Amino acid sequence: QKEVEQNSGPLSVPEGAIASLNCTYSDRGSQSFFWYRQYSGKSPELIMSIYSNGDKEDGRFTAQLNKASQYVSLLIRDSQPSDSATYLCASSNTGGFKTIFGAGTRLFVKA
Amino acid sequence: DAGVIQSPRHEVTEMGQEVTLRCKPISGHDYLFWYRQTMMRGLELLIYFNNNVPIDDSGMPEDRFSAKMPNASFSTLKIQPSEPRDSAVYFCASRKLNNSPLHFGNGTRLTVT
Repeated sequence: QKEVEQNSGPLSVPEGAIASLNCTYSDRGSQSFFWYRQYSGKSPELIMSIYSNGDKEDGRFTAQLNKASQYVSLLIRDSQPSDSATYLCASSNTGGFKTIFGAGTRLFVKA
Repeated sequence: DAGVIQSPRHEVTEMGQEVTLRCKPISGHDYLFWYRQTMMRGLELLIYFNNNVPIDDSGMPEDRFSAKMPNASFSTLKIQPSEPRDSAVYFCASRKLNNSPLHFGNGTRLTVT
C-alpha cells in the first residue's frame, strides 16, 4: 500500500464548476497535510496546508481533513482553465520529519 | 527572499559520467530535502538533512547516489556513474520547522544518454 494515494485522473470539469480532489494516507501518526499544484514543467507550489480535522478555506480553495478516515480532500470552487494542473497531496510521517507525496491528480478545466 | 535555488536547470550527460546537482536552500531553513520526479514513480524522497546532517537516506536508490551538505547554504547530489534510468527531474526543497510546508526549487532536468 502506498503511503499517500490519489486517483491519477484525469479529472475533467467545466469552467465554473467545483473540482473535488481526494487523497488517503496510511500513517495514522501523520500530523500535517498539504496540497500542492504543479504545472507542466514547473515545480510544485503550495496551495493549502491543514493540520486539524475539519475544513479550511482560502479563497476558492477548501481543504478538508478527516483523521479518523485518514482522508484529505481539496475543493476548487468556480474552476478556471488556469487551474488545469496536477494536484499533489502530501502528508508528513509520524513526527513530522518526512513529507510523502501522492502520485498526483491531473485536473483539466474546460472553457 | 530568493527562494530555493538549484543549478543547473538542465543537464545532459552520457552514461558513465559523473553528475553533480546543486542546491541553495532558503536562508534560515533548517531542513533540506532532495526529491526525484518521474512519470512512473512520481515524486520520491531521496534524502533529507537537518542542520546540515543527513537524517534519512533510505530513499537513495543505489550507492551511485550520494549527497552532502557542507554548510547551511549549500547541498549537492552526486550520481557516479550515471545511467539512463537516472533520467528524471531532481528537486531540492527546504523548510524551517517540522510539519511546515516545503518550498521547492525550480528543479534540474537530468537526461542521461
